[in-house]
Amino acid sequence: QKEVEQDPGPLSVPEGAIVSLNCTYSNSAFQYFMWYRQYSRKGPELLMYTYSSGNKEDGRFTAQVDKSSKYISLFIRDSQPSDSATYLCAMSDGDDKIIFGKGTRLHILP
Amino acid sequence: DVKVTQSSRYLVKRTGEKVFLECVQDMDHENMFWYRQDPGLGLRLIYFSYDVKMKEKGDIPEGYSVSREKKERFSLILESASTNQTSMYLCASTLLGLAGEQYFGPGTRLTVT
Repeated sequence: QKEVEQDPGPLSVPEGAIVSLNCTYSNSAFQYFMWYRQYSRKGPELLMYTYSSGNKEDGRFTAQVDKSSKYISLFIRDSQPSDSATYLCAMSDGDDKIIFGKGTRLHILP
Repeated sequence: DVKVTQSSRYLVKRTGEKVFLECVQDMDHENMFWYRQDPGLGLRLIYFSYDVKMKEKGDIPEGYSVSREKKERFSLILESASTNQTSMYLCASTLLGLAGEQYFGPGTRLTVT
C-alpha cells in the first residue's frame, strides 16, 4: 500500500461550488499535514499547514484532518476559475522527510 | 516573504553534458531540497541538505550530485545528462526540520536531447 493516496482527477466543478479534495494515508505516525497548490509550469505554493487532527480555516480554504480514519481534506468554498490548479497533499511524522501525494487536477468551469 | 529562486526556467542540454542547476533562498533557511516532478510520478526527492557542506540522499539520487558551499545556495549537478533526466526540477527550503513548511522555487524544466 502506498503511503499517500490522492485521486489524480481531473475534477471539474462549476464556479461557485464547494470543492472537496482528499488524501488517505497509511502511516499512523504522520502528524504534520500540508496542502500545496501548483499552477501549470510553476512551483508548488503552500496553502495550509496543520498539526495533528482538527480543522484549520483560512479565507475560502478549510483543511480537515481525521487521524482516526487516516484521511485529510481540503475544502474550497465559492470556487473561482483562478482556483484551477493541481493540489498536492503532503505529510510527515516530524522526524523524516515529507511525503507528497501525486496531486489532483482541479478545473473550475466559468 | 520567503523567496526561492532557480537559475533557469527552461534549459535544453545534450546527452552527456554536465548540467548545473542552481537554487538560492533568501530567508536563512537551514534545510534545502531538490525534487524532480514527472507526470504520474509526482514529486520525488533527489537530495537534501540540512547544513552547509552537508548532504543526504533522497529517494532517487542516482545520476545526480549536489553542492552546498553557502547556506543560501544549493546546487544540483547532473554529471552526464541522459534523456531520462528530462523533467521539471524543483528546489525547496525549510526553516526548521525536515517536516517544516517547504517553500518551493518556480522550477526548471530541463530537456535532454
